[in-house]
Amino acid sequence: DSGVTQTPKHLITATGQRVTLRCSPRSGDLSVYWYQQSLDQGLQFLIQYYNGEERAKGNILERFSAQQFPDLHSELNLSSLELGDSALYFCASSSQGGNSPLHFGNGTRLTVT
Amino acid sequence: EDKVVQSPLSLVVHEGDTVTLNCSYEVTNFRSLLWYKQEKKAPTFLFMLTSSGIEKKSGRLSSILDKKELFSILNITATQTGDSAVYLCAVANQFYFGTGTSLTVIP
Repeated sequence: DSGVTQTPKHLITATGQRVTLRCSPRSGDLSVYWYQQSLDQGLQFLIQYYNGEERAKGNILERFSAQQFPDLHSELNLSSLELGDSALYFCASSSQGGNSPLHFGNGTRLTVT
Repeated sequence: EDKVVQSPLSLVVHEGDTVTLNCSYEVTNFRSLLWYKQEKKAPTFLFMLTSSGIEKKSGRLSSILDKKELFSILNITATQTGDSAVYLCAVANQFYFGTGTSLTVIP
């Protein structure tokens, strides 16, 4: 168990809808990262937060947004969903950014129908 | 643009074989290179490398980093069926991942 908790495990929704994915980092970790993994694709970096502030952005669509709250949990909001957004969404946390490893949650499987 | 490239994309070996997985990178603000193993779900951490030429070992797995040539290798000796997985390389600062090498070990 990595200590990173993601909810829900599975989500099935229709095109055009909006969903929120939630992540609680490991105790003491200030950095949260979000990744998207489509079928047979690598991990695509979406966005990083550090202690409530956005630190870096990757290939995140404008329809997607995220935030990190004062208690350090993070939410990833996906709106106007399209079929191509179906993927496994991972959250990971680390204590010291690039100087310590990422620890991953078990992911949220999103299916858009 | 930051880039992490892994090779080969896929590898099928017999139990007992030794394999070498490659990761090359071009990133700004390099801090570390990490290797992960992904089976069915979340990637699990294997190694973190920050200094050139220093080998990290864990059982049958070992890894080394060459910061001058911008690459790393992951070696697995005496492979077992339990080593079958996708092996991912990531480079920090921003933790960009390569597309991974899929390893299948046949009994």
